[in-house]
Amino acid sequence: DQQVKQNSPSLSVQEGRISILNCDYTNSMFDYFLWYKKYPAEGPTFLISISSIKDKNEDGRFTVFLNKSAKHLSLHIVPSQPGDSAVYFCAAKRGGGADGLTFGKGTHLIIQP
Amino acid sequence: DAGITQSPRHKVTETGTPVTLRCHQTENHRYMYWYRQDPGHGLRLIHYSYGVKDTDKGEVSDGYSVSRSKTEDFLLTLESATSSQTSVYFCAISERQGKEKLFFGSGTQLSVL
Repeated sequence: DQQVKQNSPSLSVQEGRISILNCDYTNSMFDYFLWYKKYPAEGPTFLISISSIKDKNEDGRFTVFLNKSAKHLSLHIVPSQPGDSAVYFCAAKRGGGADGLTFGKGTHLIIQP
Repeated sequence: DAGITQSPRHKVTETGTPVTLRCHQTENHRYMYWYRQDPGHGLRLIHYSYGVKDTDKGEVSDGYSVSRSKTEDFLLTLESATSSQTSVYFCAISERQGKEKLFFGSGTQLSVL
């Protein structure tokens, strides 16, 4: 049973427009959420995170929104650039645990010129 | 970039043979993780370690064992490789419990024929 769900396997966005990637979770014990970016033949790299006590976190072109009541978070990229083309993984951490992160299946973002 | 080295980067082996993947870190981080990435599944936790000789199972631990005799090295062993273990394996490290961000290695592509 998937605890972190990314229901869009792929997303195509025009360069300069906003990219919105979505993620849903089911486990109420998750208290920290992260987005990772992955290029082919490389390991995932950390992009941005948010604690469950916040509803928004911003870092340059990247903003993550958290709606706890809906158990939903989203990553906004504005403006989208060609280098943003990658697979994006949503991840969540259970409070107090040492057992790492639970990941979604990923969304392949394609930025069209 | 976090100092994480995975070896080998690529390996092809036959069903039934033992395989050991190595993760070496130079960050002196306490927590280490092994994940596998498969199409349609995202990243799934195999095993993790919270200190020397301290390890625990993850979501998909069947068929795998791990060892951590030194802080810097975390070994993943497939005792008798099967075709279902063909995957990309990623090692990750974390500084301490409560530090939610994981840093990933570049991965090992394993093919079991």
